Amino acid sequence: DTAVSQTPKYLVTQMGNDKSIKCEQNLGHDTMYWYKQDSKKFLKIMFSYNNKELIINETVPNRFSPKSPDKAHLNLHINSLELGDSAVYFCASSQGGGQGRRAFFGQGTRLTVV
Amino acid sequence: QQQVKQSPQSLIVQKGGISIINCAYENTAFDYFPWYQQFPGKGPALLIAIRPDVSEKKEGRFTISFNKSAKQFSLHIMDSQPGDSATYFCAAQDSGSRLTFGEGTQLTVNP
Repeated sequence: DTAVSQTPKYLVTQMGNDKSIKCEQNLGHDTMYWYKQDSKKFLKIMFSYNNKELIINETVPNRFSPKSPDKAHLNLHINSLELGDSAVYFCASSQGGGQGRRAFFGQGTRLTVV
Repeated sequence: QQQVKQSPQSLIVQKGGISIINCAYENTAFDYFPWYQQFPGKGPALLIAIRPDVSEKKEGRFTISFNKSAKQFSLHIMDSQPGDSATYFCAAQDSGSRLTFGEGTQLTVNP
């Protein structure tokens, strides 16, 4: 009964390739996020969707494109992968703002670009 | 610019000791201050959180102290256990639901 699940858990790919990471949440939340954790463990938000609408779009290269087919899914597509894209990518979800804005994180996808 | 600053970067305590991690923020629009715990290979998980209208919140061995005027907050782990060894992140959230994280503290509790 995983609340926020990401696939794949590990992804090793060559520079220049295009890859996707999928995320699904079964918590009924209306907001989903992508976070990037670098090699120093620093966590930074990339995108946030609320009811399939993009509400946060941090300064991220436009090679990264999120897509939310419905409010339970938020996928991340990355074009023309670069060495610097190597990181752990976390999907998360929460129930909007206000009280109880607890964010639930997935297990992460470790992306290694070689 | 780093909106949430966290210290120390790493912390080693003996079993039974008190672990203290400090954070400071700049943006007065932040209105929710959670702490997340992350074990290796896992995603961060909410540990405890506080709103700025209270100065302290305690849940079991974990306590958040909050100083609104100084824009600082801290996590105290009482009777630290080896199982508490993890990376701890403070965070701050505004009404737009964006979480801004501190740099993280690697806590090691020696048996």
